[in-house]
Amino acid sequence: ETGVTQSPTHLIKTRGQQVTLRCSSQSGHNTVSWYQQALGQGPQFIFQYYREEENGRGNFPPRFSGLQFPNYSSELNVNALELDDSALYLCASSFSGKEPQHFGDGTRLSIL
Amino acid sequence: GNSVTQMEGPVTLSEEAFLTINCTYTATGYPSLFWYVQYPGEGLQLLLKATKADDKGSNKGFEATYRKETTSFHLEKGSVQVSDSAVYFCALITISGGSYIPTFGRGTSLIVHP
Repeated sequence: ETGVTQSPTHLIKTRGQQVTLRCSSQSGHNTVSWYQQALGQGPQFIFQYYREEENGRGNFPPRFSGLQFPNYSSELNVNALELDDSALYLCASSFSGKEPQHFGDGTRLSIL
Repeated sequence: GNSVTQMEGPVTLSEEAFLTINCTYTATGYPSLFWYVQYPGEGLQLLLKATKADDKGSNKGFEATYRKETTSFHLEKGSVQVSDSAVYFCALITISGGSYIPTFGRGTSLIVHP
């Protein structure tokens, strides 16, 4: 069984730039959700995609956007990067819009 | 808004000790409640869940009961092992108007000594 994989593992960007993070869901899972985790904090929900449609969104501005592809993999795009966007970004997958079952190891994003 | 409060860590125990990690929540509507575990070097994974009041979720010897009257979902295990050393996250999910909204606590680190 293939787990949730995220790429890249680390990324360094500067303020104002744009970034795209990628996630492949676990085999058989059609739902992907994205989270931002600051150091010492729990994951904060960004949004969820189910069958290629957004199915819920947390308190994040529109410069955080996403996509889900027919193979259920997903992208998180962040425009106009700010220093506070520095965090670990987690992707999780599940089946049929339910609660996340497995998380990936995350992408560590640093903004200079 | 919704919130989840967990006890501060780290919690340090000897092997075979009894474990309790406290979790309380504030939410609108009727949330489902979850515990996730993150073992060293791995991603978070679902440990157990309860979807309505008085339900008990259980897995791998861990248990938690959904207590609506005290808005709590404390995690317990009767006898911990060194392999239980991990970070534990309490979470809730509400569904409103078709929107899915999860909220996580800050996590509690558990260290079990032989």
